[in-house]
Amino acid sequence: NAGVMQNPRHLVRRRGQEARLRCSPMKGHSHVYWYRQLPEEGLKFMVYLQKENIIDESGMPKERFSAEFPKEGPSILRIQQVVRGDSAAYFCASSPTRTVNTEAFFGQGTRLTVV
Amino acid sequence: AQSVTQLGSHVSVSEGALVLLRCNYSSSVPPYLFWYVQYPNQGLQLLLKYTTGATLVKGINGFEAEFKKSETSFHLTKPSAHMSDAAEYFCAVSESDTDKLIFGTGTRLQVFP
Repeated sequence: NAGVMQNPRHLVRRRGQEARLRCSPMKGHSHVYWYRQLPEEGLKFMVYLQKENIIDESGMPKERFSAEFPKEGPSILRIQQVVRGDSAAYFCASSPTRTVNTEAFFGQGTRLTVV
Repeated sequence: AQSVTQLGSHVSVSEGALVLLRCNYSSSVPPYLFWYVQYPNQGLQLLLKYTTGATLVKGINGFEAEFKKSETSFHLTKPSAHMSDAAEYFCAVSESDTDKLIFGTGTRLQVFP
C-alpha cells in the first residue's frame, strides 16, 4: 500500500484556517475513497470519487468539506474554517476499478491537528 | 443498515498464545467481510476478506477468519501470536463488491513476551 501517497503526513492548523489534504492514487487507479478516523474510533467513509466526478459523498459533512479528483493531479480533500472537532486522521484508498473491496489500497494517512 | 461490532477494544496475549479477535456484523443482505491491520502511524493493510464460497478464509501472516452466518460473526484467529502482530485490527463490512466499507471501532492487540 506504499503506492498510495498522501501528503502531508502531519498537518497543524489554527481554528478558522483551511486544510488541504492530498492523495495520489496508485498508478493506474482512477477510483479514490476518503475515510476519516477520529480518536479511538474506526474509519468512517466520507466520499468516493472517480476522475472529475464525485460518485458518493454521503459521508461528507454538509458544510466546510469538499473533495475533488481532477483529470490531472492528486485528489484533494479540502476543509475550510477548521474547528477542533476536525482533528483526525484522514485516509485515502484507491482502486483500479469500482471493485473497491477487493482491490483497494490505503495510504498512510494525514493526521490533522487543529489548535 | 450495516454495522460492525468489535468486542473488546484491547486484547492482550502472550507470545505463542492463540489470538482471537471478535467481530459481529449486521447486514440485510449477504455481506462482504474484511479484516484490516493498522500498525502505528501507518495506513490499513488488508489481512483477509470473505466474499462468497468457503467460509474459512486464510489471510496473510498466518491469520484466518470464519464466516458464520447463523452467528453473524467473522472472528479473526491466529494459532500462535508473534510480537510483530501487535497492532490495531479493524473488521469491516460492505453489502456489495462496489459499496463503501463500514468499519468497526477496532481492537488493539498487545503481545507480551
